[in-house]
Amino acid sequence: DAMVIQNPRYQVTQFGKPVTLSCSQTLNHNVMYWYQQKSSQAPKLLFHYYDKDFNNEADTPDNFQSRRPNTSFCFLDIRSPGLGDAAMYLCATMQRGTYNEQFFGPGTRLTVL
Amino acid sequence: DQQVKQNSPSLSVQEGRISILNCDYTNSMFDYFLWYKKYPAEGPTFLISISSIKDKNEDGRFTVFLNKSAKHLSLHIVPSQPGDSAVYFCAASGSGTSYGKLTFGQGTILTVHP
Repeated sequence: DAMVIQNPRYQVTQFGKPVTLSCSQTLNHNVMYWYQQKSSQAPKLLFHYYDKDFNNEADTPDNFQSRRPNTSFCFLDIRSPGLGDAAMYLCATMQRGTYNEQFFGPGTRLTVL
Repeated sequence: DQQVKQNSPSLSVQEGRISILNCDYTNSMFDYFLWYKKYPAEGPTFLISISSIKDKNEDGRFTVFLNKSAKHLSLHIVPSQPGDSAVYFCAASGSGTSYGKLTFGQGTILTVHP
């Protein structure tokens, strides 16, 4: 089945220790998104790629970076995680030209100690 | 500034009855609206959507209504089933530079009791 896969599902890191979350897709969609969702809050868009074009949201902290080496993979790098970065991180894909329907992975829950 | 709001954090309904989930938005540039369902330990899955040129869209037990003048949409589930118990997110998108960027509400936890 075509899908969006996120690894790991659970990630524990220490305050200030860099961490990378990964996302892969078999849907061959040209747009990939990263969302941050804190407890009982709405998912918040961090950035997205349209093919190789990177689009950062204005309020995404500089601490968050992303890489998309190819169509299938996208990474979220948190350079110096703080306690406030503990959240669920959701990856999503979409084929541009469709009606905004995004396909989500299961998410990675990040804990910062 | 929350542009999409789901004011009811939770809703409890008896099996077989109607579930009505509500969503309000403030940005008049939004022209496409979606509902997602999320089970624990899974990502959100697309449920149903509606374009601003329509006021109703139906798919089986699920119907979404859009009232543009009130900037309000609602999701009706009839009849409700225990398997519908999940978190429901409303999301909105615009055109132009906002195309493909979803703004989500905080979600409503629906519990359907047998």
